[in-house]
Amino acid sequence: NAGVTQTPKFRVLKTGQSMTLLCAQDMNHEYMYWYRQDPGMGLRLIHYSVGEGTTAKGEVPDGYNVSRLKKQNFLLGLESAAPSQTSVYFCASSYQGRWTQHFGDGTRLSIL
Amino acid sequence: GQQLNQSPQSMFIQEGEDVSMNCTSSSIFNTWLWYKQDPGEGPVLLIALYKAGELTSNGRLTAQFGITRKDSFLNISASIPSDVGIYFCAGRRNNNDMRFGAGTRLTVKP
Repeated sequence: NAGVTQTPKFRVLKTGQSMTLLCAQDMNHEYMYWYRQDPGMGLRLIHYSVGEGTTAKGEVPDGYNVSRLKKQNFLLGLESAAPSQTSVYFCASSYQGRWTQHFGDGTRLSIL
Repeated sequence: GQQLNQSPQSMFIQEGEDVSMNCTSSSIFNTWLWYKQDPGEGPVLLIALYKAGELTSNGRLTAQFGITRKDSFLNISASIPSDVGIYFCAGRRNNNDMRFGAGTRLTVKP
């Protein structure tokens, strides 16, 4: 059982570069989420999706875009990376909003 | 944004000891959750609490949903080396508004 798979696991970018993080889940979950985790802070919600073709802003959405073209995939994009976006990014999915969120193993992103 | 106050930030204990950590907030939550995160992995749900006053156990772990709905605690009894990790509390107000504490880093000395 793969569960929630994030790619890549590590990435180093230069300021101003763009990239896309991919999250894939094989549990047929409706809801998907992107969080960032910074030292000394809890996970903070960036964007989320309640179903294929839908997205919504979370607590810290600025500088990020997302797309949910297929139910099993949720993409997080950085159009112009900034050092403040250096973080560990986690994707999660749940059957519905009130159900348990299952997390991927994270993507460690460094922006120089 | 509203974050949860989780304490302590870190704990160093001897194997076999009991552990207690808690989470407080100035806001009311409808659900409290406790997660554990091992190095290089994502958080894994340990216990979910859905009603004020609820006390729930999962093996050696026990968690309670505070009566005021503004706090929760997690106890681990008879700690073992594999309990090492970071424990996070999370409070959820509605389907998509979930806030996390900063975590308690637990070290267990054999």
